[in-house]
Amino acid sequence: NAGVMQNPRHLVRRRGQEARLRCSPMKGHSHVYWYRQLPEEGLKFMVYLQKENIIDESGMPKERFSAEFPKEGPSILRIQQVVRGDSAAYFCASSSDRNTEAFFGQGTRLTVV
Amino acid sequence: TQLLEQSPQFLSIQEGENLTVYCNSSSVFSSLQWYRQEPGEGPVLLVTVVTGGEVKKLKRLTFQFGDARKDSSLHITAAQPGDTGLYLCAGDRDKLIFGTGTRLQVFP
Repeated sequence: NAGVMQNPRHLVRRRGQEARLRCSPMKGHSHVYWYRQLPEEGLKFMVYLQKENIIDESGMPKERFSAEFPKEGPSILRIQQVVRGDSAAYFCASSSDRNTEAFFGQGTRLTVV
Repeated sequence: TQLLEQSPQFLSIQEGENLTVYCNSSSVFSSLQWYRQEPGEGPVLLVTVVTGGEVKKLKRLTFQFGDARKDSSLHITAAQPGDTGLYLCAGDRDKLIFGTGTRLQVFP
């Protein structure tokens, strides 16, 4: 009866490296959402995926960021050539259907040094 | 532009006091959710309100959805130190749009 699992919990990357953040949704959930949170701020929507499809990526930066949710395996948020401004907490949420309650993981805290 | 504005942004009170947090928007939402987030953790869902005018109670917490489904409030009675955290409202627009957050600190 696991909830939304994110890993790693903490990730340190040097400028220019790639960061891969993983999210395994709750069992039975096929909708995944990624959010970014800066210190002392609320959550900013990034992307909404349903198995193998990107439904809404209106919150994703146009460059360096990509997301996928393959048929098998976790959803991946990928940040290429990280910069200091990418340092933030990244949260994943999942739901069983559109417009139903979403449950959040514990987040991945990315630090770019 | 921020779709959902929360007020106040920060709130520090003594144990036993009552408080109200507001979540306001000029847009209509099909539903609105309230979350609480503690440091280093993800948001935890407290309640979902769907019907205009709806009131839901969760122990000492009372949630209300505005008649026009554009705003909501969270009232806490007799606050306790365990209520300390970041309270977030989120409106449903196919994906959750989060409010600016209210950081509550309750001192013993």
